[in-house]
Amino acid sequence: EVQLVESGGGLVQPGGSLRLSCAASGFIFSDHYMDWVRQAPGKGLEWVARTRDRAHGYGTEYAASVKGRFTISRDDSRNSLYLQMNSLKADDTAVYYCVRVGDCSGDWCSPADYWGQGALVTVSS
Amino acid sequence: DIQMTQSPSAMSASVGDRVTITCRASQDISNYLAWFQQKPGKVPKRLIYAVSTLQGGVPSRFSGSGSGTEFTLTISSLQPEDFATYYCLQHNFYPLTFGGGTKVEIK
Repeated sequence: EVQLVESGGGLVQPGGSLRLSCAASGFIFSDHYMDWVRQAPGKGLEWVARTRDRAHGYGTEYAASVKGRFTISRDDSRNSLYLQMNSLKADDTAVYYCVRVGDCSGDWCSPADYWGQGALVTVSS
Repeated sequence: DIQMTQSPSAMSASVGDRVTITCRASQDISNYLAWFQQKPGKVPKRLIYAVSTLQGGVPSRFSGSGSGTEFTLTISSLQPEDFATYYCLQHNFYPLTFGGGTKVEIK
C-alpha cells in the first residue's frame, strides 16, 4: 500500500524557515518523480514544486511564487522527500501535500496519483 | 503560465441530476488533463487522468472528455457521496496549474 506521511509543519514567523519531510513507503520511491502541492485555508490547490527521479538527473521545477525561496530535494536511500522553505510569507500559509507522480512514458507522466495527509504551515507573527 | 478556467465555480444540484463541469485551458495542452475530487477536510483524490481514463475504483457514473483546450467532467447521475469540490489539472507545461475548483452542493 502506498503511503506518504508528511511532517515538519508548524507555526513560523514571517521571514523564517521551515523544512517539511515526507516519508514514502509501499512503492519504489527512487523510480518516481515527486511533487509538493499546497492549499491555503479555504482556497484551491496550487502546485509548488517537482523533483524528477535519478534517471532524469533529479531535475527540479518550481512555481514562480516560491522560486528562489523554496528548495525541493529527495533522499532515495531514506525514501524521503523534503521541502526547505525560506523567507516565509503570510501567503505561504497552507496545508502542504506530498504527492507521488505516477508512471512516466516519454514526457507523459501520470499525475498526482497518491497524496499524503498534508502538513499545515502557518506563517504569522 | 497556462491558465485553467473552470466553470461554474459553484452549483446546486439534486441527487440523480446529470452534472457537467468545464475546464478551459489558455492554450493547447493535448491530453495532459486530470480531474480531482476533494471533500471537506479530506485529501484530494484523483478521479480521471489523460482526459478520460477512469482511476481504478472510481464509479462509472464519472466520465471525462475533451481535447486541446476544452475539457468536461460529467457525473451522469449525482449521488449523495458526490457532493464535493472538483478540480482540473494540466500537467503538460510547467508550472502545473489547477483550475479554481467547482463546488457541487445539494439543492
